[in-house]
Amino acid sequence: AQSVAQPEDQVNVAEGNPLTVKCTYSVSGNPYLFWYVQYPNRGLQFLLKYITGDNLVKGSYGFEAEFNKSQTSFHLKKPSALVSDSALYFCAVREGPGNTPLVFGKGTRLSVIA
Amino acid sequence: DAGVIQSPRHEVTEMGQEVTLRCKPISGHDYLFWYRQTMMRGLELLIYFNNNVPIDDSGMPEDRFSAKMPNASFSTLKIQPSEPRDSAVYFCASRPRDSQETQYFGPGTRLLVL
Repeated sequence: AQSVAQPEDQVNVAEGNPLTVKCTYSVSGNPYLFWYVQYPNRGLQFLLKYITGDNLVKGSYGFEAEFNKSQTSFHLKKPSALVSDSALYFCAVREGPGNTPLVFGKGTRLSVIA
Repeated sequence: DAGVIQSPRHEVTEMGQEVTLRCKPISGHDYLFWYRQTMMRGLELLIYFNNNVPIDDSGMPEDRFSAKMPNASFSTLKIQPSEPRDSAVYFCASRPRDSQETQYFGPGTRLLVL
């Protein structure tokens, strides 16, 4: 079975500082990994994904994530946080190349403080 | 493309009433997913369709919940009779056939059952 763990319910960071939102996963085969962001009263928006290739993937709004196979992690990062980055972040996984639905983590609320 | 469209955006009803949520996926997408989001349980997959055929409805909480996809451009999620514990945000998402593609989410329907 596929699963995702986001160990932190809440992450607080000062504006301008680097941010990291953690994610670990479990799949039997090759992982297809995704990050989504949810702003208040909105649906989930796709940020970035890892399918294959370079372990460091870049996405929207300056976010990036690093795939680490040995640690089964896919942490989301940004070098300099903005107040507007404050939102709920979801990590998701699917075993590739199958067509099963994404399995989502419980989400991490990021607060960027000015 | 307008993205995934959901209606209504907000629904307030009384316990025992029938509730119907509607979704129009992105044109050309083969997969459609219904999710429920609550504070306690996070994002739960209820059911998903491939080419209008229900594939997995194991996430549907009870017989009070039913979903249909009569054609490629329309799906409904029905709750009959509704109960206060059904109060949540319900999201519809769609995805192309390519398993490397992301899921695209609608804005959600916020349901309150009194």
